Amino acid sequence: DQQVKQNSPSLSVQEGRISILNCDYTNSMFDYFLWYKKYPAEGPTFLISISSIKDKNEDGRFTVFLNKSAKHLSLHIVPSQPGDSAVYFCAASAFGGATNKLIFGTGTLLAVQP
Amino acid sequence: ETGVTQTPRHLVMGMTNKKSLKCEQHLGHNAMYWYKQSAKKPLELMFVYNFKEQTENNSVPSRFSPECPNSSHLFLHLHTLQPEDSALYLCASSQVRTGGDEAFFGQGTRLTVV
Repeated sequence: DQQVKQNSPSLSVQEGRISILNCDYTNSMFDYFLWYKKYPAEGPTFLISISSIKDKNEDGRFTVFLNKSAKHLSLHIVPSQPGDSAVYFCAASAFGGATNKLIFGTGTLLAVQP
Repeated sequence: ETGVTQTPRHLVMGMTNKKSLKCEQHLGHNAMYWYKQSAKKPLELMFVYNFKEQTENNSVPSRFSPECPNSSHLFLHLHTLQPEDSALYLCASSQVRTGGDEAFFGQGTRLTVV
């Protein structure tokens, strides 16, 4: 049973609009969440993270929201740019974000149309 | 070179072959990882090395054999693989610390077993 779920395999957005990528989790012990971005033929790159003591973390055009009661987090990209087109992975950990304890989702392919 | 580099980028091997994947990190990190990414599945952690010592083996079949000669290099030795082992194999490194450690990934080796 997957503990981290990204139910939308793909998302298409117009350039300049907001992209919202969603992630749901089942383990209430998760206390650290990360988003990674992956371009074709490259490895995933760290994008942004959030600790369970916060409900929002912002870094430039990227904002992650955490709703612990709903066990849901989302990544907002505003404004979306064609260079944001990639696969986005959500990951969660119950051990303060230790990499060896990260559980990854299956990813969402974002396509930003010019 | 900077970051995490993996060679080869692509590998096709027969089920009776023996091959090795190589990973090198130039970030001064103290932990290295092997992940497997199969189509439409989450990243699966295979092995973890902390300070050159293997600390985790997530029930990986013995036909996969890791080696970490020093904190900058990681190998994955392959022998008598099966077609279902075809996948993207990703190496990552991180600096393990309290509060979360972000993993830095290599570009991956696309392995095809024929």
